[in-house]
Amino acid sequence: SQQGEEDPQALSIQEGENATMNCSYKTSINNLQWYRQNSGRGLVHLILIRSNEREKHSGRLRVTLDTSKKSSSLLITASRAADTASYFCATDADTGKLIFGQGTTLQVKP
Amino acid sequence: GAVVSQHPSWVICKSGTSVKIECRSLDFQATTMFWYRQFPKQSLMLMATSNEGSKATYEQGVEKDKFLINHASLTLSTLTVTSAHPEDSSFYICSATSLAVGGTQYFGPGTRLLVL
Repeated sequence: SQQGEEDPQALSIQEGENATMNCSYKTSINNLQWYRQNSGRGLVHLILIRSNEREKHSGRLRVTLDTSKKSSSLLITASRAADTASYFCATDADTGKLIFGQGTTLQVKP
Repeated sequence: GAVVSQHPSWVICKSGTSVKIECRSLDFQATTMFWYRQFPKQSLMLMATSNEGSKATYEQGVEKDKFLINHASLTLSTLTVTSAHPEDSSFYICSATSLAVGGTQYFGPGTRLLVL
């Protein structure tokens, strides 16, 4: 069953702006991961943050995790047209199974 | 990162026929593979977990006799959609993982199935 909720469902920004997506989940987790999916394609793993971590960076990506609020955010700085895609959070409750959020569709206008 | 392939990338079939989709881990041995289904503009729904050499574990609501999964080797898992119907039309995505890749799931590019 789906346990992740993401907002916004859709986001449209201009190139160069920052994009922030939020994810909430319901149960305790081992880690939380963010994936990108270009239209009609498979998923690309972006970043993993463990339950004992609060913030993680990877290039233009910044992920935060607040386990007390059961939420995470993904920030993409200085967005590019190539960042246009759907972004999903996925939680792992130490079962090895990933439960995906509903996703945020990001459009970056050149 | 590790590479996972799927074949075919798309398939069109007539209602009532069976379709086999292959998922391969190309550069690592995958002890576990997962099969997901994704309907248009929706998220991924886990269908089943496949461990090499054992029977697949299906999620609630997924018919095991309709979606046959075989994980015969550490690099190959197959999903067979039996007696396909138009409502089975979807995007099917596999992922593969093992301790050797830190438990991260690496996803295949997906297979788009259209049942006429």
